[in-house]
Amino acid sequence: DSGVTQTPKHLITATGQRVTLRCSPRSGDLSVYWYQQSLDQGLQFLIHYYNGEERAKGNILERFSAQQFPDLHSELNLSSLELGDSALYFCASSVQGTYQETQYFGPGTRLLVL
Amino acid sequence: QKEVEQDPGPLSVPEGAIVSLNCTYSNSAFQYFMWYRQYSRKGPELLMYTYSSGNKEDGRFTAQVDKSSKYISLFIRDSQPSDSATYLCAMRGQGGSEKLVFGKGTKLTVNP
Repeated sequence: DSGVTQTPKHLITATGQRVTLRCSPRSGDLSVYWYQQSLDQGLQFLIHYYNGEERAKGNILERFSAQQFPDLHSELNLSSLELGDSALYFCASSVQGTYQETQYFGPGTRLLVL
Repeated sequence: QKEVEQDPGPLSVPEGAIVSLNCTYSNSAFQYFMWYRQYSRKGPELLMYTYSSGNKEDGRFTAQVDKSSKYISLFIRDSQPSDSATYLCAMRGQGGSEKLVFGKGTKLTVNP
């Protein structure tokens, strides 16, 4: 168990809908990262937050947004969902988010868009 | 050319075999190299972490980095059925908010 929690574990929704994925980092970790894992693209970095502020953006679509709250949990919002958004969404956390650190992954949320 | 290339396998070996997993990369700015293990329907878990070139050993696992060839390897000695998983290499540059770039993973099966 990495100490990172994610809810829900599974989500089934329809195209055009909006969903929110939640992540709670390890105790003491200030950084949260979001990733998308699909069969064809592998694991793709989406966005990084440190202590409530956005630090870096990766391959995140404009229909997706994220935020990190004062209690350090983070939410990833996916809107106008398309079939191709079906994937595993992971969050990871680290203490500071610096280059020396490693990231610890949560169990993921499996999203299915029908 | 993709930044990180990893043979997806699948790789099937008998129990007790030595397993060699590899990644190549194109970005010479990468300084930090990691191997993650991912069991089916689970999140990746960090296995090995190395900085720059050289070897690092942890139990049955050895990670090697050859920056001159832009090539990293993970060796698993005395492989066990419990090692059956997908192995992902990951790497990043030197910077405060550098993102991790992952290979697509190699699926390994160790047969008893």
